[in-house]
Amino acid sequence: GAVVSQHPSRVICKSGTSVKIECRSLDFQATTMFWYRQFPKQSLMLMATSNEGSKATYEQGVEKDKFLINHASLTLSTLTVTSAHPEDSSFYICSARDRQGATDTQYFGPGTRLTVL
Amino acid sequence: GESVGLHLPTLSVQEGDNSIINCAYSNSASDYFIWYKQESGKGPQFIIDIRSNMDKRQGQRVTVLLNKTVKHLSLQIAATQPGDSAVYFCAETSNGQNFVFGPGTRLSVLP
Repeated sequence: GAVVSQHPSRVICKSGTSVKIECRSLDFQATTMFWYRQFPKQSLMLMATSNEGSKATYEQGVEKDKFLINHASLTLSTLTVTSAHPEDSSFYICSARDRQGATDTQYFGPGTRLTVL
Repeated sequence: GESVGLHLPTLSVQEGDNSIINCAYSNSASDYFIWYKQESGKGPQFIIDIRSNMDKRQGQRVTVLLNKTVKHLSLQIAATQPGDSAVYFCAETSNGQNFVFGPGTRLSVLP
């Protein structure tokens, strides 16, 4: 199956700093990538849809100035958590849509654990 | 895609038994369905998919059943093993738009 990577896998930062998370599709081109947030023992919560070459579409309640998304190429999307605070601590997961062939499947990255002190 | 932030239901199964995880979907126009497995601290992993023109699809130790009449999807795991312990999500989509994820079910395999 298609492979999606995320970097870093774990990050600890001080309150007020910004953190960038990268999401890469390794063996396919992804015109669309998604960013999710997941709290412990809960389901995935979609934050935004990232389309290559255009602005991201944010879900209701997600601050676009807080969570900056850039999808500069068909294999890379980045999420920057600006001026992070402890309440931003969470597990962030990206996924990439593979539209090749007969299926249209989302493949997920391994996730990034963000801890804001 | 949407998702629901709820506390997950749990299914406990004895090792070696078969597991059945259920999912009710909402959109009768959905034409593609996927099951994902998420282990603790990791991202969801694709397990198996099925298109709406099929009722059943089998993989290695897993079978997905689709009942479009009642909008129900199930994942069957044969001879459940400790490594199957995880959270399982179903997802539905229509024409490749708006993946909608179920709330997830936590599968615990008892020794």
